[in-house]
Amino acid sequence: KNQVEQSPQSLIILEGKNCTLQCNYTVSPFSNLRWYKQDTGRGPVSLTIMTFSENTKSNGRYTATLDADTKQSSLHITASQLSDSASYICVVSASGTYKYIFGTGTRLKVLA
Amino acid sequence: KAGVTQTPRYLIKTRGQQVTLSCSPISGHRSVSWYQQTPGQGLQFLFEYFSETQRNKGNFPGRFSGRQFSNSRSEMNVSTLELGDSALYLCASRPPGLDATGELFFGEGSRLTVL
Repeated sequence: KNQVEQSPQSLIILEGKNCTLQCNYTVSPFSNLRWYKQDTGRGPVSLTIMTFSENTKSNGRYTATLDADTKQSSLHITASQLSDSASYICVVSASGTYKYIFGTGTRLKVLA
Repeated sequence: KAGVTQTPRYLIKTRGQQVTLSCSPISGHRSVSWYQQTPGQGLQFLFEYFSETQRNKGNFPGRFSGRQFSNSRSEMNVSTLELGDSALYLCASRPPGLDATGELFFGEGSRLTVL
């Protein structure tokens, strides 16, 4: 069964600190993995996409990694800011299908 | 380029009523998908439309239905509303492509409250 699991469910950190969010998936055949950021009451916005051949990709203070062998991805946030407070959703695409498999998200709160 | 537009943004209904939500995708996007989001549940897939045809459907009761028009605009309808239908309903469109490899572009959502 295609599944995407994220951890932790929620996380509270102080402004300026780093954090890492995890995403484990069992999706086959794998096409790509995206991390989305969803501010409260808004629609999700794509942060980064990881394909099978990519290990690391950065988008400003956000760095995503992918280990296709262990089927794990992480999203590392460096020097967190209050505006990073949001839900982060991992979405995996199954190749050759129309299906996107969503994780339940990690809710991050950054405190001043 | 205009983003995905959803209307209305907020609405309040009572049990037993029905509701229609609208979604206008990004110009050129022919795929529109709908999702229900409740606290702690994450995004639950409702259905996807492509060129006016339902291509994919999630595990929701028949009270949830949708359609897509020739201009790619989509509507979803929920009949006989229940308290549990209170949620943020998100619409997403994506660029043309044969499978689920493209980025999903989400609207701001329609917040439905059922009293």
